[in-house]
Amino acid sequence: EAQVTQNPRYLITVTGKKLTVTCSQNMNHEYMSWYRQDPGLGLRQIYYSMNVEVTDKGDVPEGYKVSRKEKRNFPLILESPSPNQTSLYFCASSFRVTTEAFFGQGTRLTVV
Amino acid sequence: GQQVMQIPQYQHVQEGEDFTTYCNSSTTLSNIQWYKQRPGGHPVFLIQLVKSGEVKKQKRLTFQFGEAKKNSSLHITATQTTDVGTYFCAGWGNQFYFGTGTSLTVIP
Repeated sequence: EAQVTQNPRYLITVTGKKLTVTCSQNMNHEYMSWYRQDPGLGLRQIYYSMNVEVTDKGDVPEGYKVSRKEKRNFPLILESPSPNQTSLYFCASSFRVTTEAFFGQGTRLTVV
Repeated sequence: GQQVMQIPQYQHVQEGEDFTTYCNSSTTLSNIQWYKQRPGGHPVFLIQLVKSGEVKKQKRLTFQFGEAKKNSSLHITATQTTDVGTYFCAGWGNQFYFGTGTSLTVIP
């Protein structure tokens, strides 16, 4: 089954404790991206990747890192999480940037 | 920076009434996509429009892309409770942007 898998689904952590949210897709998609969703603000892009070893900043990249060492995986790293990073996070992938995006189930992160 | 705004932010309708959400970009878009997110779920792709002035239909849903490729609309005829959710537009300008979303509540 074609899918985008995110883990974990829920995470509560403390300020400053490094964490990684994993994202994996099995559709051989070139384009992958991370979004955060906050009430009234819609989906804001954090980082995106056009292909392996090619990543770029989105709209709200501060406080986040990503890597794309393999085509299927695109982890989101928070080196020192802060409470303002409490949000719902989605990973998405698509064959190209202009084609249909498939979303993961989401990760609800709370930073206390 | 580029912005994609949607109005209204919230809409409550009686089942059977029509519903429209509008998407407006500050810059020209090469394409427009629409997604639906059910409560507690993730966004799911509905459709893509590419041509200026393009209109597409999916059963009770009608999608339109403006002549200037800076705006779009989604119209639902005779809403049903299954239409509940948040509708997002998204498009590629100098970057890929999602709109702010319209949350639709359908009252049975």
